[in-house]
Amino acid sequence: GAVVSQHPSRVICKSGTSVKIECRSLDFQATTMFWYRQFPKQSLMLMATSNEGSKATYEQGVEKDKFLINHASLTLSTLTVTSAHPEDSSFYICSARDIGWGSPLHFGNGTRLTVT
Amino acid sequence: KQEVTQIPAALSVPEGENLVLNCSFTDSAIYNLQWFRQDPGKGLTSLLLIQSSQREQTSGRLNASLDKSSGRSTLYIAASQPGDSATYLCAVITGTASKLTFGTGTRLQVTL
Repeated sequence: GAVVSQHPSRVICKSGTSVKIECRSLDFQATTMFWYRQFPKQSLMLMATSNEGSKATYEQGVEKDKFLINHASLTLSTLTVTSAHPEDSSFYICSARDIGWGSPLHFGNGTRLTVT
Repeated sequence: KQEVTQIPAALSVPEGENLVLNCSFTDSAIYNLQWFRQDPGKGLTSLLLIQSSQREQTSGRLNASLDKSSGRSTLYIAASQPGDSATYLCAVITGTASKLTFGTGTRLQVTL
């Protein structure tokens, strides 16, 4: 079945540094990938939609200059948290859809970001 | 704006019981509904996908139903096992942008 690989699974960084998270579709091409954020005991919230070859679409309230998204190929999207602060500590999950919007979304295993 | 609610928020049952998880959504104009499982600190595993034209889907001990007009879906788990313990999330796609709106989740614990 379709597999989405997300890396790293866990990262600890100091306040003010930037962190890059990668999301790869391993056995299918994904023109669109999605980035979610999950705070403890809360549901996932969509942050942005990543489109291959074009700019990402951000949800209301998400700072595009802070959460940089690059979707350079049909199998890779990256999320860079710039100048991270402790309040950015969260669980970030990416997802991708196989061909056809009627197909299920497949999710990466998530990245636990802790900013100290 | 689509809102998805899941009831109950938490559920504890003894092993072997059949159980039902509920999901409701406010905008019935959905394209599909998907049930996921999330283990603590992990990503999501897709369990069942129901297209808007379908009424139910089955996979092993899991059965999901969809009543689009009333904005409801249920996930039925038969003969529950301790390994079923996890958080179960439902999510719907509304609109053409393929955005998924997640429910609040039901935290299930199956005890021995």
